[in-house]
Amino acid sequence: AQTVTQSQPEMSVQEAETVTLSCTYDTSESDYYLFWYKQPPSRQMILVIRQEAYKQQNATENRFSVNFQKAAKSFSLKISDSQLGDAAMYFCAYRSEETSGSRLTFGEGTQLTVNP
Amino acid sequence: GAGVSQSPRYKVAKRGQDVALRCDPISGHVSLFWYQQALGQGPEFLTYFQNEAQLDKSGLPSDRFFAERPEGSVSTLKIQRTQQEDSAVYLCASSRGVEWTEAFFGQGTRLTVV
Repeated sequence: AQTVTQSQPEMSVQEAETVTLSCTYDTSESDYYLFWYKQPPSRQMILVIRQEAYKQQNATENRFSVNFQKAAKSFSLKISDSQLGDAAMYFCAYRSEETSGSRLTFGEGTQLTVNP
Repeated sequence: GAGVSQSPRYKVAKRGQDVALRCDPISGHVSLFWYQQALGQGPEFLTYFQNEAQLDKSGLPSDRFFAERPEGSVSTLKIQRTQQEDSAVYLCASSRGVEWTEAFFGQGTRLTVV
Protein backbone atom coordinates (compact mmCIF):
# COMPACT_ATOMS: atom_id res chain seq x y z
CA ALA A 1 0.00 0.00 0.00
CA GLN A 2 1.11 3.51 -0.69
CA THR A 3 1.72 6.03 2.08
CA VAL A 4 2.20 9.79 1.99
CA THR A 5 3.96 11.70 4.76
CA GLN A 6 3.99 15.42 5.46
CA SER A 7 6.36 16.09 8.32
CA GLN A 8 5.49 19.76 8.84
CA PRO A 9 2.13 20.15 10.64
CA GLU A 10 2.45 23.95 10.49
CA MET A 11 4.44 26.46 8.47
CA SER A 12 4.42 30.22 8.33
CA VAL A 13 5.72 32.73 5.80
CA GLN A 14 5.82 36.47 5.41
CA GLU A 15 3.76 37.97 2.64
CA ALA A 16 5.79 38.18 -0.62
CA GLU A 17 8.33 35.65 0.64
CA THR A 18 8.90 32.06 -0.51
CA VAL A 19 7.98 28.93 1.42
CA THR A 20 8.54 25.23 0.73
CA LEU A 21 6.24 22.46 1.97
CA SER A 22 7.67 18.95 2.21
CA CYS A 23 6.15 15.62 1.20
CA THR A 24 7.56 12.13 0.97
CA TYR A 25 5.79 9.00 -0.21
CA ASP A 26 6.33 5.31 -0.35
CA THR A 27 5.37 3.13 -3.28
CA SER A 28 6.62 0.16 -5.25
CA GLU A 29 4.91 1.39 -8.41
CA SER A 30 6.58 3.25 -11.24
CA ASP A 31 3.55 4.93 -12.80
CA TYR A 32 1.63 7.37 -10.65
CA TYR A 33 0.52 10.95 -10.20
CA LEU A 34 1.32 13.29 -7.35
CA PHE A 35 -0.82 16.25 -6.38
CA TRP A 36 -0.86 19.20 -4.05
CA TYR A 37 -4.33 20.26 -2.90
CA LYS A 38 -5.26 23.37 -0.96
CA GLN A 39 -8.11 23.25 1.56
CA PRO A 40 -9.32 26.63 2.86
CA PRO A 41 -11.77 26.92 5.78
CA SER A 42 -14.61 26.38 3.30
CA ARG A 43 -13.38 22.75 3.23
CA GLN A 44 -13.42 22.43 -0.56
CA MET A 45 -10.25 20.81 -1.88
CA ILE A 46 -8.70 22.84 -4.67
CA LEU A 47 -6.06 21.39 -6.97
CA VAL A 48 -2.88 23.44 -6.84
CA ILE A 49 -0.50 21.43 -9.01
CA ARG A 50 -0.08 17.96 -10.52
CA GLN A 51 3.00 15.93 -11.48
CA GLU A 52 3.14 12.80 -13.61
CA ALA A 53 5.84 10.44 -12.35
CA TYR A 54 7.14 9.65 -15.83
CA LYS A 55 7.94 13.32 -16.47
CA GLN A 56 11.35 14.43 -15.29
CA GLN A 57 10.51 18.10 -15.65
CA ASN A 58 9.09 19.68 -12.52
CA ALA A 59 5.56 21.03 -12.85
CA THR A 60 4.95 24.78 -12.52
CA GLU A 61 1.72 26.74 -12.18
CA ASN A 62 2.31 30.47 -11.87
CA ARG A 63 3.69 31.05 -8.33
CA PHE A 64 3.56 27.34 -7.49
CA SER A 65 6.24 24.86 -8.44
CA VAL A 66 7.33 21.43 -7.30
CA ASN A 67 10.64 19.70 -6.72
CA PHE A 68 10.00 16.10 -7.72
CA GLN A 69 12.76 13.66 -6.79
CA LYS A 70 11.53 10.26 -7.93
CA ALA A 71 14.42 8.21 -6.62
CA ALA A 72 14.17 9.85 -3.22
CA LYS A 73 10.34 9.68 -3.33
CA SER A 74 10.12 13.34 -2.46
CA PHE A 75 7.63 15.90 -3.77
CA SER A 76 7.92 19.37 -2.25
CA LEU A 77 5.82 22.42 -3.09
CA LYS A 78 7.36 25.86 -3.41
CA ILE A 79 5.13 28.91 -3.16
CA SER A 80 6.78 32.09 -4.39
CA ASP A 81 5.64 35.64 -3.63
CA SER A 82 3.26 34.35 -0.95
CA GLN A 83 -0.10 36.07 -0.72
CA LEU A 84 -2.59 36.28 2.14
CA GLY A 85 -4.98 34.16 0.09
CA ASP A 86 -2.48 31.29 0.11
CA ALA A 87 -3.19 30.67 3.78
CA ALA A 88 -4.85 27.26 4.03
CA MET A 89 -4.25 23.59 4.76
CA TYR A 90 -2.14 21.95 2.07
CA PHE A 91 -2.32 18.25 1.33
CA CYS A 92 0.06 16.14 -0.71
CA ALA A 93 -1.65 13.21 -2.44
CA TYR A 94 -0.75 10.14 -4.48
CA ARG A 95 -2.71 8.36 -7.17
CA SER A 96 -1.68 5.11 -8.81
CA GLU A 97 -1.62 5.02 -12.59
CA GLU A 98 -1.42 1.25 -12.50
CA THR A 99 -4.89 0.75 -11.03
CA SER A 100 -7.95 1.83 -12.98
CA GLY A 101 -10.05 4.52 -11.30
CA SER A 102 -7.82 4.49 -8.29
CA ARG A 103 -8.24 6.62 -5.19
CA LEU A 104 -6.17 9.47 -3.83
CA THR A 105 -4.00 8.73 -0.80
CA PHE A 106 -3.44 11.88 1.23
CA GLY A 107 -0.81 13.02 3.69
CA GLU A 108 -1.65 14.50 7.05
CA GLY A 109 -1.54 18.07 5.82
CA THR A 110 0.46 21.24 6.50
CA GLN A 111 -1.28 24.33 7.86
CA LEU A 112 0.20 27.38 6.13
CA THR A 113 -0.07 30.81 7.73
CA VAL A 114 0.80 33.92 5.74
CA ASN A 115 1.78 36.90 7.85
CA PRO A 116 1.21 40.44 6.51
CA GLY B 1 -24.13 21.90 -12.28
CA ALA B 2 -20.95 23.91 -12.25
CA GLY B 3 -19.32 21.92 -9.48
CA VAL B 4 -19.76 19.05 -7.06
CA SER B 5 -22.57 19.78 -4.65
CA GLN B 6 -23.01 18.11 -1.27
CA SER B 7 -25.91 18.36 1.14
CA PRO B 8 -26.45 19.02 3.89
CA ARG B 9 -23.37 21.08 4.71
CA TYR B 10 -23.83 20.40 8.39
CA LYS B 11 -25.59 17.55 10.15
CA VAL B 12 -25.98 16.92 13.84
CA ALA B 13 -27.18 13.45 14.74
CA LYS B 14 -27.92 11.82 18.03
CA ARG B 15 -25.99 8.64 18.68
CA GLY B 16 -27.88 5.72 17.21
CA GLN B 17 -29.63 7.80 14.56
CA ASP B 18 -29.37 7.00 10.84
CA VAL B 19 -28.09 9.69 8.46
CA ALA B 20 -27.95 10.12 4.69
CA LEU B 21 -25.46 12.37 2.96
CA ARG B 22 -25.97 13.41 -0.65
CA CYS B 23 -23.49 14.12 -3.42
CA ASP B 24 -24.34 15.65 -6.81
CA PRO B 25 -21.27 15.21 -9.02
CA ILE B 26 -20.44 17.25 -12.06
CA SER B 27 -22.76 16.20 -14.88
CA GLY B 28 -21.31 13.43 -17.02
CA HIS B 29 -18.55 12.50 -14.61
CA VAL B 30 -18.01 8.77 -14.56
CA SER B 31 -15.96 8.36 -11.40
CA LEU B 32 -17.20 9.27 -7.94
CA PHE B 33 -15.35 8.93 -4.65
CA TRP B 34 -16.29 9.35 -0.99
CA TYR B 35 -13.67 10.30 1.61
CA GLN B 36 -13.84 10.72 5.37
CA GLN B 37 -11.79 13.51 6.96
CA ALA B 38 -11.37 13.51 10.72
CA LEU B 39 -10.52 16.80 12.41
CA GLY B 40 -6.96 17.88 11.67
CA GLN B 41 -6.21 14.95 9.40
CA GLY B 42 -6.07 14.18 5.72
CA PRO B 43 -9.03 12.64 3.92
CA GLU B 44 -9.25 8.87 3.89
CA PHE B 45 -10.84 6.86 1.10
CA LEU B 46 -14.20 5.23 1.73
CA THR B 47 -15.57 4.02 -1.59
CA TYR B 48 -15.45 4.41 -5.37
CA PHE B 49 -18.13 4.27 -8.08
CA GLN B 50 -17.68 3.96 -11.80
CA ASN B 51 -21.07 5.06 -13.12
CA GLU B 52 -23.56 3.04 -11.04
CA ALA B 53 -21.14 0.25 -10.18
CA GLN B 54 -19.47 0.33 -6.79
CA LEU B 55 -16.06 -1.03 -7.70
CA ASP B 56 -14.22 -0.46 -4.44
CA LYS B 57 -15.70 -0.26 -0.96
CA SER B 58 -12.62 -1.35 0.90
CA GLY B 59 -12.43 1.89 2.89
CA LEU B 60 -15.85 1.66 4.50
CA PRO B 61 -15.07 1.32 8.23
CA SER B 62 -17.96 -0.95 9.15
CA ASP B 63 -21.13 -2.51 7.85
CA ARG B 64 -22.99 0.49 9.24
CA PHE B 65 -21.72 2.45 6.24
CA PHE B 66 -23.47 2.01 2.92
CA ALA B 67 -23.18 3.96 -0.34
CA GLU B 68 -25.15 3.88 -3.55
CA ARG B 69 -25.29 5.58 -6.94
CA PRO B 70 -28.27 3.89 -8.58
CA GLU B 71 -28.45 5.90 -11.81
CA GLY B 72 -24.80 6.72 -12.17
CA SER B 73 -25.16 10.35 -11.14
CA VAL B 74 -26.27 11.35 -7.61
CA SER B 75 -24.74 9.32 -4.80
CA THR B 76 -25.85 8.83 -1.21
CA LEU B 77 -23.69 7.78 1.71
CA LYS B 78 -25.76 6.30 4.50
CA ILE B 79 -24.56 5.70 8.03
CA GLN B 80 -26.73 3.56 10.26
CA ARG B 81 -26.78 3.72 14.06
CA THR B 82 -24.29 6.59 14.16
CA GLN B 83 -21.57 6.60 16.80
CA GLN B 84 -19.38 9.39 18.09
CA GLU B 85 -16.37 8.17 16.14
CA ASP B 86 -18.35 8.78 12.93
CA SER B 87 -18.03 12.54 13.54
CA ALA B 88 -16.02 13.88 10.62
CA VAL B 89 -16.26 15.77 7.35
CA TYR B 90 -17.43 13.59 4.49
CA LEU B 91 -16.06 14.70 1.12
CA CYS B 92 -17.31 13.68 -2.29
CA ALA B 93 -15.21 13.97 -5.43
CA SER B 94 -15.92 13.27 -9.08
CA SER B 95 -13.80 12.99 -12.19
CA ARG B 96 -14.53 12.88 -15.88
CA GLY B 97 -13.24 9.47 -16.73
CA VAL B 98 -11.81 6.30 -15.31
CA GLU B 99 -8.24 7.28 -16.11
CA TRP B 100 -8.48 10.68 -14.49
CA THR B 101 -5.91 13.35 -13.80
CA GLU B 102 -8.07 15.75 -11.82
CA ALA B 103 -10.73 15.10 -9.20
CA PHE B 104 -13.20 17.84 -8.31
CA PHE B 105 -14.31 18.03 -4.71
CA GLY B 106 -17.46 19.24 -3.04
CA GLN B 107 -17.45 21.32 0.13
CA GLY B 108 -18.22 18.32 2.25
CA THR B 109 -20.74 17.52 4.94
CA ARG B 110 -19.65 18.04 8.52
CA LEU B 111 -21.28 15.34 10.62
CA THR B 112 -21.36 15.71 14.38
CA VAL B 113 -22.69 12.84 16.45
CA VAL B 114 -23.77 13.81 19.97
